[in-house]
Amino acid sequence: ETGVTQSPTHLIKTRGQQVTLRCSSQSGHNTVSWYQQALGQGPQFIFQYYREEENGRGNFPPRFSGLQFPNYSSELNVNALELDDSALYLCASSFSLHEQFFGPGTRLTVL
Amino acid sequence: DQQVKQNSPSLSVQEGRISILNCDYTNSMFDYFLWYKKYPAEGPTFLISISSIKDKNEDGRFTVFLNKSAKHLSLHIVPSQPGDSAVYFCAASAKSNAGNMLTFGGGTRLMVKP
Repeated sequence: ETGVTQSPTHLIKTRGQQVTLRCSSQSGHNTVSWYQQALGQGPQFIFQYYREEENGRGNFPPRFSGLQFPNYSSELNVNALELDDSALYLCASSFSLHEQFFGPGTRLTVL
Repeated sequence: DQQVKQNSPSLSVQEGRISILNCDYTNSMFDYFLWYKKYPAEGPTFLISISSIKDKNEDGRFTVFLNKSAKHLSLHIVPSQPGDSAVYFCAASAKSNAGNMLTFGGGTRLMVKP
């Protein structure tokens, strides 16, 4: 059984650019959630996708958008990058209502 | 407004002793609570959870206690091992319009000394 995988591992972008992060969910899971973890803080919920539809959204601006594909993999897109977007981006997949299993994350640095 | 708080940023214990990590929450709609462990350069790993209908859940060396009236939960690790050294996050969820989003605390860094 394959766990949650994310790509790329690290990414450096400049302010104003756009970025796409990718996530493959754990086998058998149909829900994907994305979180942003700033240095020294806990993860913050960005949004969740269930069966290709957005199922909930945290307090993030519309320039954060996402997709879920029929195989339940997912993308997180961020437009007009700002310096404060520098963080670890975590993807989590789940099947049950509560337990979410996390990937290793993508470290995004915005210069 | 931080709905889940871990007031101790760090905790140091001796190998073999008990580690107690604490977490407080303010949102009475939370009905499920989880603990995650995180090593550097890895994603959080699910440890143990508890539903609001219970006050205790045990899994091996890990026990989570929930005190709903105090809006407080704790994770006990007995006996503590050096491999338990990591950052521990408390998280909570509630059935809401935002799916089953997890709200995390800021984390507690546990150091278990040999």
